[in-house]
Amino acid sequence: NAGVTQTPKFQVLKTGQSMTLQCAQDMNHNSMYWYRQDPGMGLRLIYYSASEGTTDKGEVPNGYNVSRLNKREFSLRLESAAPSQTSVYFCASRREGGGWTEAFFGQGTRLTVV
Amino acid sequence: SQQGEEDPQALSIQEGENATMNCSYKTSINNLQWYRQNSGRGLVHLILIRSNEREKHSGRLRVTLDTSKKSSSLLITASRAADTASYFCATASYSSASKIIFGSGTRLSIRP
Repeated sequence: NAGVTQTPKFQVLKTGQSMTLQCAQDMNHNSMYWYRQDPGMGLRLIYYSASEGTTDKGEVPNGYNVSRLNKREFSLRLESAAPSQTSVYFCASRREGGGWTEAFFGQGTRLTVV
Repeated sequence: SQQGEEDPQALSIQEGENATMNCSYKTSINNLQWYRQNSGRGLVHLILIRSNEREKHSGRLRVTLDTSKKSSSLLITASRAADTASYFCATASYSSASKIIFGSGTRLSIRP
């Protein structure tokens, strides 16, 4: 019972490089989310997908793109990484039910941009 | 700025004491949730309270919600060393129930 799986767990990028963070869930959830967490801070919503085929901007979408590949997978892409994107990235999923359901989180991807 | 703001930012108490954390938010909500994060790990859901509820209990956890003041509190009774973690509130608004926004969190330390 894997839950929410994120890959990779760690990544170091040079400024200007691109990469895609992968997230997959095996709980048949409709909604999926990408958050970033800077040291000592809360989580800030980057993008979310309420259902397969839809994506919406969150609080801090600039510099990121997302793809809801299918119901299971939701990827986050950094086209041209910047040091300000150094953070821990968390993917989450949730079963839609009138907004009254909990979110399940992956273990995070620690990204450093040098 | 974020939807939810926790208070205090950090809290240190003796094992066995009660810990109270507060969360304030800005817009009308569908529900409010509390999560725990152990250092370097993902978040784990603790409890959810709906907008039409005023109080909810789960084990040693007690959550209150005051929609008129747009605030919630999380009480952990008889704290244990294992309760050391960061605690976050999260809200889902009526206008966008899928959009879950987190507060800045309270770092709780339990002294043995």
